[in-house]
Amino acid sequence: DADVTQTPRNRITKTGKRIMLECSQTKGHDRMYWYRQDPGLGLQLIYYSFDVKDINKGEISDGYSVSRQAQAKFSLSLESAIPNQTALYFCATASRGGGTDTQYFGPGTRLTVL
Amino acid sequence: AQKITQTQPGMFVQEKEAVTLDCTYDTSDPSYGLFWYKQPSSGEMIFLIYQGSYDQQNATEGRYSLNFQKARKSANLVISASQLGDSAMYFCAMRHRSYNTDKLIFGTGTRLQVFP
Repeated sequence: DADVTQTPRNRITKTGKRIMLECSQTKGHDRMYWYRQDPGLGLQLIYYSFDVKDINKGEISDGYSVSRQAQAKFSLSLESAIPNQTALYFCATASRGGGTDTQYFGPGTRLTVL
Repeated sequence: AQKITQTQPGMFVQEKEAVTLDCTYDTSDPSYGLFWYKQPSSGEMIFLIYQGSYDQQNATEGRYSLNFQKARKSANLVISASQLGDSAMYFCAMRHRSYNTDKLIFGTGTRLQVFP
């Protein structure tokens, strides 16, 4: 089984709809992240969370909100989707302290907003 | 400001040959980490290799090695004995961490195509 899972894997929605993307992990990591990738570009950070009570905005948080329901679950919401939020969304996890702090990514959610 | 630059939009390499993917970075952090990720056409991001800024030796992971030149601020990925399955996008990334942030900064990627 995959260590970091994302649901749904693909989603098509309409402008103005509310949509939630979910991320779960079994790696036991305390840090979780949401990124988006636009075609031909690298990833940009939307939100990150160091633990259940610690949530922080990334560089492109406008139009998004998050919820850390448990250490293993981190959800991303688009309150009112717009077409320029069409992108590939990744969840990532990392372990705090020591070592490399490598971020491990989920398989991604491809979101299309019509 | 922290920045990653990948100047090669695309690279071609013949199977079984070695290839170097370039990455330069800019940071004022005294301590940082550099990563390479592979993104095949299926879309997932696969961690390949890590280099810490204080590591004395270049990192290696199987056929992947990282040519780290700190004075030049470069962290090039070397893939030896290329395979057809290596065809993918490759992203260089740098960890930036401070009192109020913790993130990976990504380059724009290099598309590698391996031909028989």
